Amino acid sequence: NAGVMQNPRHLVRRRGQEARLRCSPMKGHSHVYWYRQLPEEGLKFMVYLQKENIIDESGMPKERFSAEFPKEGPSILRIQQVVRGDSAAYFCASSPQGSSYEQYFGPGTRLTVT
Amino acid sequence: AQKVTQAQTEISVVEKEDVTLDCVYETRDTTYYLFWYKQPPSGELVFLIRRNSFDEQNEISGRYSWNFQKSTSSFNFTITASQVVDSAVYFCALSEYTNAGKSTFGDGTTLTVKP
Repeated sequence: NAGVMQNPRHLVRRRGQEARLRCSPMKGHSHVYWYRQLPEEGLKFMVYLQKENIIDESGMPKERFSAEFPKEGPSILRIQQVVRGDSAAYFCASSPQGSSYEQYFGPGTRLTVT
Repeated sequence: AQKVTQAQTEISVVEKEDVTLDCVYETRDTTYYLFWYKQPPSGELVFLIRRNSFDEQNEISGRYSWNFQKSTSSFNFTITASQVVDSAVYFCALSEYTNAGKSTFGDGTTLTVKP
């Protein structure tokens, strides 16, 4: 049973470009969470999604950031018009329905904005 | 609002020493989960332990042990006979019982174990 997969592992974007980060949850998991880790800081919750639904987006910046978890395919975290302050590690976690405490993290995507 | 404080930003020990990483949390919830994670230099997040607020028993797993004290809102982590491979950033986290996937993390403690 493969773990949570994220790609790409490293992403470099110039200011103003778009960044798309993908997360494939563990098989059978229907809940996905996105976290951001700025340099020298802990992880900060961004958004919680179930298939085709955003459950909690209280940690998402109001502008430029969006997330989706379609019926088919991976969850996508999209950052439009990236700025240098978006440079961070973005972690995805997944959990099975009914057991959100069983949370498994992916390896993260390191986004660098130049 | 929930808050996790890891007051020790960096700790440096010599191999074979014991080391304790402190974690203090704040929550208005009466039921919740507490976690510890390890982040080695490679960057991934390694799950170490989950504890729910009902269970105040201390836990030991090999060289690792955890001391959960609800009365002082602390969940400290001790590594016995530390090894160089223990060098990493360690994060304590707290989550709601009904939405355990939404965790609040501390800022981490960087542990360096020197040979």
